[in-house]
Amino acid sequence: DAEITQSPRHKITETGRQVTLACHQTWNHNNMFWYRQDLGHGLRLIHYSYGVHDTNKGEVSDGYSVSRSNTEDLPLTLESAASSQTSVYFCASSTGGEETQYFGPGTRLLVL
Amino acid sequence: DQQVKQNSPSLSVQEGRISILNCDYTNSMFDYFLWYKKYPAEGPTFLISISSIKDKNEDGRFTVFLNKSAKHLSLHIVPSQPGDSAVYFCAASADDYKLSFGAGTTVTVRA
Repeated sequence: DAEITQSPRHKITETGRQVTLACHQTWNHNNMFWYRQDLGHGLRLIHYSYGVHDTNKGEVSDGYSVSRSNTEDLPLTLESAASSQTSVYFCASSTGGEETQYFGPGTRLLVL
Repeated sequence: DQQVKQNSPSLSVQEGRISILNCDYTNSMFDYFLWYKKYPAEGPTFLISISSIKDKNEDGRFTVFLNKSAKHLSLHIVPSQPGDSAVYFCAASADDYKLSFGAGTTVTVRA
């Protein structure tokens, strides 16, 4: 079955370290998204991509970067982790002509 | 500035009764609206959606109502079941495939 996976599911890191969260989907979806979920804010968009080599900033993109070298993967990199980036991160994907997004299981990140 | 607002952080309802979740939005460019359900330690799952050309969409026990003039939508769950206990997120899109989410409403269904 087609799916969307995230790894790792849990991560503890230290302030200042570079961290990369993986997202892989097998639906062949053009659109991929990264969100963070924090209490009281719901899900906020970090970065998104409409296709290979396309990346765009979302509303909370500072301190994060993404790259899209193939259809299946959109890794999220925290260049220098900060305590404010402790959160739960969700990856999602959608087809080119559809608004409905399908989410991965999430990665819980703790920055100490 | 949050463009999608869910003003009730929590809702408690008795099993078998109706659950009504509310959502307000400010961006008049939004033309597609979705509800997602989320269990702890899982990703959000799509529940139901509605286009701005409609005012109601029904799927089994779930019905979404849209009032464009009031920039308001609601999700009705009838009858509520214990498995409906979860966090519900309202989301909206302006035809650009990006979603703006509300803060969520935690629903607890009491036996």
